[in-house]
Amino acid sequence: GENVEQHPSTLSVQEGDSAVIKCTYSDSASNYFPWYKQELGKGPQLIIDIRSNVGEKKDQRIAVTLNKTAKHFSLHITETQPEDSAVYFCAASTSGGTSYGKLTFGQGTILTVHP
Amino acid sequence: DGGITQSPKYLFRKEGQNVTLSCEQNLNHDAMYWYRQDPGQGLRLIYYSQIVNDFQKGDIAEGYSVSREKKESFPLTVTSAQKNPTAFYLCASSTQGMNTEAFFGQGTRLTVV
Repeated sequence: GENVEQHPSTLSVQEGDSAVIKCTYSDSASNYFPWYKQELGKGPQLIIDIRSNVGEKKDQRIAVTLNKTAKHFSLHITETQPEDSAVYFCAASTSGGTSYGKLTFGQGTILTVHP
Repeated sequence: DGGITQSPKYLFRKEGQNVTLSCEQNLNHDAMYWYRQDPGQGLRLIYYSQIVNDFQKGDIAEGYSVSREKKESFPLTVTSAQKNPTAFYLCASSTQGMNTEAFFGQGTRLTVV
């Protein structure tokens, strides 16, 4: 089955700096890669996603890049703010058979933005 | 408001007891999922259902059971066979098929006392 590795597990930055979180996946058939943000005691919320037919996607201060050949994708947050502090998860969608639409998640990154 | 609702938010269980976690959605989604979250391990899939009256085991199904009698509801039972049930449980739903956003509930924190 699919395996998703996420790094780093913790990331500490100063307000205004950029933050980068990286993920690798194992199943070359995966073609949907969402990123979720989880605040303390809440469920994850989608912040950005990318499909395999594009290499990069931006939404204001957030961007995601995808390298299908190397099977890795990254989240970039620019001009970080204290409210960006949360746990971030990457995921990959496994396609085919009974796994159609099932997400496999990375281990999560705890991002702390210091004022 | 459309969304996905989990209840209760906190649940305490004595060892040896079964307990059922509720998950309801009004998003008209076909697919529903249960994940377990432990510190440092991300989200691990317990069970998922792509259509009413059908469900499949995920990566860590042992000690859990589910039912999908209605499209809106996907309850999870944590049985006494689950050896380490203390965790944060998340329910999610999505439109059927891949490449679709999964919407999560607020979670249920289960503690065995």
